[in-house]
Amino acid sequence: SQQGEEDPQALSIQEGENATMNCSYKTSINNLQWYRQNSGRGLVHLILIRSNEREKHSGRLRVTLDTSKKSSSLLITASRAADTASYFCAAETSGSRLTFGEGTQLTVNP
Amino acid sequence: DADVTQTPRNRITKTGKRIMLECSQTKGHDRMYWYRQDPGLGLRLIYYSFDVKDINKGEISDGYSVSRQAQAKFSLSLESAIPNQTALYFCATSDRGLPRNEQFFGPGTRLTVL
Repeated sequence: SQQGEEDPQALSIQEGENATMNCSYKTSINNLQWYRQNSGRGLVHLILIRSNEREKHSGRLRVTLDTSKKSSSLLITASRAADTASYFCAAETSGSRLTFGEGTQLTVNP
Repeated sequence: DADVTQTPRNRITKTGKRIMLECSQTKGHDRMYWYRQDPGLGLRLIYYSFDVKDINKGEISDGYSVSRQAQAKFSLSLESAIPNQTALYFCATSDRGLPRNEQFFGPGTRLTVL
């Protein structure tokens, strides 16, 4: 079964708006990672937040982690058409394995 | 990521055929992974290897086998392909020495089993 569940499954916004994606997981984690996938291509790592961290920033990305609720969110600010992609959360559990969510398809309209 | 390559990139085969997907990396990483992705879904782990002598099953290993021929090479085999193995297959690498345990993905192999 999938460790991560994401919502929404699809999100369509206008350029310049912010995009928020949420992820929930089931078990204890070492860290939670977010990846981006352009259509049919390999995933690219975006950002990692450790289990003892609550918030992290990287450029236009902001990630939060609430271990009590077993949830994380990814915020992309001032979105651009080039941000159009699928975004996946991945929970790292013991044994250094990643379990991926089902992804959010983000479309940013020019 | 050009440092992780997969061959072939596309493959169409028939039910019952044996097929091998290959992955090579020049990153010098010790860990390698095979995932499959079905349409509209996330990635599911098939097998992973933390070094040449360490091979582990993932969540969906049935019907698959792997070989870690060298630190840089990790192959995935389908002994007798079936249509529900039609999917996009990704190889990934990581390294225990990295400050962040991120994984680096190859471009994927699109496999169709008729």
